[in-house]
Amino acid sequence: AQTVTQSQPEMSVQEAETVTLSCTYDTSESDYYLFWYKQPPSRQMILVIRQEAYKQQNATENRFSVNFQKAAKSFSLKISDSQLGDAAMYFCAYRGGTASKLTFGTGTRLQVTL
Amino acid sequence: GAGVSQSPRYKVAKRGQDVALRCDPISGHVSLFWYQQALGQGPEFLTYFQNEAQLDKSGLPSDRFFAERPEGSVSTLKIQRTQQEDSAVYLCASSVTSGALIEQFFGPGTRLTVL
Repeated sequence: AQTVTQSQPEMSVQEAETVTLSCTYDTSESDYYLFWYKQPPSRQMILVIRQEAYKQQNATENRFSVNFQKAAKSFSLKISDSQLGDAAMYFCAYRGGTASKLTFGTGTRLQVTL
Repeated sequence: GAGVSQSPRYKVAKRGQDVALRCDPISGHVSLFWYQQALGQGPEFLTYFQNEAQLDKSGLPSDRFFAERPEGSVSTLKIQRTQQEDSAVYLCASSVTSGALIEQFFGPGTRLTVL
């Protein structure tokens, strides 16, 4: 079974600074996809960024980028120029190539301070 | 356009009561998912529909949990004889197709508290 591990329960970053959230996963599949979701206090999950495992190039979306290390099974999220609105729970998620469901980690709570 | 909606947003039930949670997916979305999110945890998969067909129910924790999507649109998650361990937020998500890279859009969830 696939597992997703987020070892940082909480992180804090100052506004305008950069922060990296860690995620590791375990799988025996060769075809899979990885995601970072943001869950603000309102609870509605929002997709931040996604990565196909077969792509070597790291995905980027504006201030959000990933460091995908396939051999190490690591998928970290970097948030640049942090903003107050970035404060939320961040979940790393895995989806197998033929699977329908997402498998989530336990989340990292990000605080953004002035 | 309208996103995924869920009702009720909050539900308090006495142990042993039956509850029904509703999900209205984005119009035209073929795939619909239910997840359970316990306090302080990430969401865990419960079940998946493609149109009206329930293709995966491997995550349902017991036979007290039942989901349906009879017309391929609205879905209902029913929990019979609720127990305290059923207390959680129940999230519904929909996607336009079932492709692995396709984004799942989540609803705001229903927080169920079983007393």
